[in-house]
Amino acid sequence: GESVGLHLPTLSVQEGDNSIINCAYSNSASDYFIWYKQESGKGPQFIIDIRSNMDKRQGQRVTVLLNKTVKHLSLQIAATQPGDSAVYFCAERRSNNNDMRFGAGTRLTVKP
Amino acid sequence: EAQVTQNPRYLITVTGKKLTVTCSQNMNHEYMSWYRQDPGLGLRQIYYSMNVEVTDKGDVPEGYKVSRKEKRNFPLILESPSPNQTSLYFCASSLFVSGELFFGEGSRLTVL
Repeated sequence: GESVGLHLPTLSVQEGDNSIINCAYSNSASDYFIWYKQESGKGPQFIIDIRSNMDKRQGQRVTVLLNKTVKHLSLQIAATQPGDSAVYFCAERRSNNNDMRFGAGTRLTVKP
Repeated sequence: EAQVTQNPRYLITVTGKKLTVTCSQNMNHEYMSWYRQDPGLGLRQIYYSMNVEVTDKGDVPEGYKVSRKEKRNFPLILESPSPNQTSLYFCASSLFVSGELFFGEGSRLTVL
């Protein structure tokens, strides 16, 4: 069936290292993807988005990569900081639909 | 301050007692949506609205109702709550359906 999923439910990294969070999607009709960060007790916050006509987009310390061939999305966080500890969700929007589908989330823990 | 406001933030109720969770946004956004978040399942969409008087079912609409009489408000109604509706609920809005979603702080509902 259609799904947005994550390869790993948890990720632990050392402060200062780079983090890579992965996401797989199964619907080739998806044309828009977003990464969200959810800190404990808060609602998800937008980090970065990418449209299907791109394969890479960079923000401040974050990069999203999109590989449409294998339907894979990744979020790279450079020089991970303790404040990056959170649950990260990928979400997709299918071009023939209006709703966003979210993955189950990956919990990132940054060790000092 | 641009925000999405949900109320109540916490609620404990009993089976069958009708309740409404309000959601209001002050950003003049057209698109609004309700999600529930359950452990291991991520965010699942309940209902969404493209504009005033336009609402559609998401992935898990059973047991819920919504209305969009005004652009800024999108209440979630549980006519006869049941224990399987115990969850963390998020309201979100965006300028357009394909835009960045702004989330509220969440409403934790427990149905006994």
